[in-house]
Amino acid sequence: KQEVTQIPAALSVPEGENLVLNCSFTDSAIYNLQWFRQDPGKGLTSLLLIQSSQREQTSGRLNASLDKSSGRSTLYIAASQPGDSATYLCAVRPGNRDDKIIFGKGTRLHILP
Amino acid sequence: GAGVSQTPSNKVTEKGKYVELRCDPISGHTALYWYRQSLGQGPEFLIYFQGTGAADDSGLPNDRFFAVRPEGSVSTLKIQRTERGDSAVYLCASSLGQGITDTQYFGPGTRLTVL
Repeated sequence: KQEVTQIPAALSVPEGENLVLNCSFTDSAIYNLQWFRQDPGKGLTSLLLIQSSQREQTSGRLNASLDKSSGRSTLYIAASQPGDSATYLCAVRPGNRDDKIIFGKGTRLHILP
Repeated sequence: GAGVSQTPSNKVTEKGKYVELRCDPISGHTALYWYRQSLGQGPEFLIYFQGTGAADDSGLPNDRFFAVRPEGSVSTLKIQRTERGDSAVYLCASSLGQGITDTQYFGPGTRLTVL
């Protein structure tokens, strides 16, 4: 059974710092991995999607890496801003024909002004 | 364009009551998903529709929960004899339904509170 773990559960950093959020998954047979952002009372916004054949994806100040063999992904946020404060969720699409996504519990990020 | 919408945004009910939660997917999206997110947890899969049929309902916790999508667009999640443990945010997502590389677009969710 695929399980997704995110560390840390919560993180507070001063504005301007670079930071890394970690995600691990137990079954390396995945089709893709996705990072989402969730703001209080809002739905999920997809940030980056990495196909199983890819090693990383970049969008602006965000960079996500994938090491499928070791079951790990990281989300790197450069030059953090207060507007980056949110919960970040890592999710994998399992390596079978299911279309569901399996989520981690998320990392609550707070950027201190 | 319009995204996924869910109504109501908040629902408070009493234990034992019946509730319906509605999801309007993005126009043209054939795949629709329901997830449940409890406090401090990530979303958990409930059910997935491809068109009008439930392709995977393995995440429904018990027979008090069922969902329909009669015309292949709007979906309703129905919960009978609600229990306090059903309190959560219920998220709906839709996608083009073209396969495993599809991106799922999420709605804002319905926060259900069972007193």
